[in-house]
Amino acid sequence: KQEVTQIPAALSVPEGENLVLNCSFTDSAIYNLQWFRQDPGKGLTSLLLIQSSQREQTSGRLNASLDKSSGRSTLYIAASQPGDSATYLCAVRPEDFNKFYFGSGTKLNVKP
Amino acid sequence: ETGVTQTPRHLVMGMTNKKSLKCEQHLGHNAMYWYKQSAKKPLELMFVYSLEERVENNSVPSRFSPECPNSSHLFLHLHTLQPEDSALYLCASSQAFRGSYAFFGQGTRLTVV
Repeated sequence: KQEVTQIPAALSVPEGENLVLNCSFTDSAIYNLQWFRQDPGKGLTSLLLIQSSQREQTSGRLNASLDKSSGRSTLYIAASQPGDSATYLCAVRPEDFNKFYFGSGTKLNVKP
Repeated sequence: ETGVTQTPRHLVMGMTNKKSLKCEQHLGHNAMYWYKQSAKKPLELMFVYSLEERVENNSVPSRFSPECPNSSHLFLHLHTLQPEDSALYLCASSQAFRGSYAFFGQGTRLTVV
């Protein structure tokens, strides 16, 4: 069974710092990997999707990379802002399509 | 607004009640999902419907009963729940056979008393 791990579990940084969130998965037979953001008590907002054939995706200050063979993905946030404070989740979609496996998330706090 | 709408947003129910959660999407997706999110645990997949047929049932207790009458609507019927079933229930949709994004609703916060 696919297992997804996110490190660190929590991160607190001052505003303006660049930071990296890590996601690792045990089975490299994935179709894609998606990064989400979740605000307290709310649903998930999709940030970036990387197909298994891709190496990275960028959206604004966010950059996600994927190394499928080593089972790793990183989410890079440039010039962090207090509004970036949230829990960040990664999810992998195996090649049978019909499910997503989630990590436990990284809770990010960006201090003004 | 993600295009996936869940109602109600909050629900408090007694252990002998029967209630239903509703999820609706008009994104043209053909797969819909129920996930459970408990405190300090990863999201747990409960059910998957693909082309209106249930294709996944992750050993969920029978007190949870899903229904997918068409590709745009998904229900989760609840009866005789336990306090440990209190959680955030999230609905999602995607294309079943393409590398598309998964979109999630805002969730229903369920409290069983």
